[in-house]
Amino acid sequence: QKEVEQDPGPLSVPEGAIVSLNCTYSNSAFQYFMWYRQYSRKGPELLMYTYSSGNKEDGRFTAQVDKSSKYISLFIRDSQPSDSATYLCAMSLNYGGSQGNLIFGKGTKLSVKP
Amino acid sequence: DGGITQSPKYLFRKEGQNVTLSCEQNLNHDAMYWYRQDPGQGLRLIYYSQIVNDFQKGDIAEGYSVSREKKESFPLTVTSAQKNPTAFYLCASRGTKAFFFGSGTQLSVL
Repeated sequence: QKEVEQDPGPLSVPEGAIVSLNCTYSNSAFQYFMWYRQYSRKGPELLMYTYSSGNKEDGRFTAQVDKSSKYISLFIRDSQPSDSATYLCAMSLNYGGSQGNLIFGKGTKLSVKP
Repeated sequence: DGGITQSPKYLFRKEGQNVTLSCEQNLNHDAMYWYRQDPGQGLRLIYYSQIVNDFQKGDIAEGYSVSREKKESFPLTVTSAQKNPTAFYLCASRGTKAFFFGSGTQLSVL
């Protein structure tokens, strides 16, 4: 079993839809959870950062962490064509030191159609 | 502007040649990283450095080498021992709450 599993998609939705992106993980010791957005042939940019469990909201984006199920989600409300990108989940045991290295999912490719 | 600069954007390697990818940051971050990204594979860690003059191998270090002589710079050399070097290479540095990435270098084999 891989440490982090993420459905690669592609996922295609109409403009205005609510998008749900998910990752599962096997290491219950992960504490830091992040979502990155990557446009084609560009570097990933941080969208959301969560420590431990719970929800975090930032504008149209909501990140959820369920440590009991080892499952994290990113919700995008009122999706826009500009949201079309690959979304990568990432997580780590600690932040800093050798255990602070991020483990990435493979990314989900999202396409939002006008 | 603060950030991470990778160069060149595109690089071509001939058989048996070593090539070096540049990564410079002006964020004053101690830790820097090199990742390789293949289609459908996600990001895989090649090397990382927590501090100047120190670096550690990541998951796929074979065929690569790095140096960290200055805090701002973390160049990656893809050696001739790396038989499948075609990939998108990303450099990152670690801030207080997140990793920051450069815009990447696409390396291809001629």
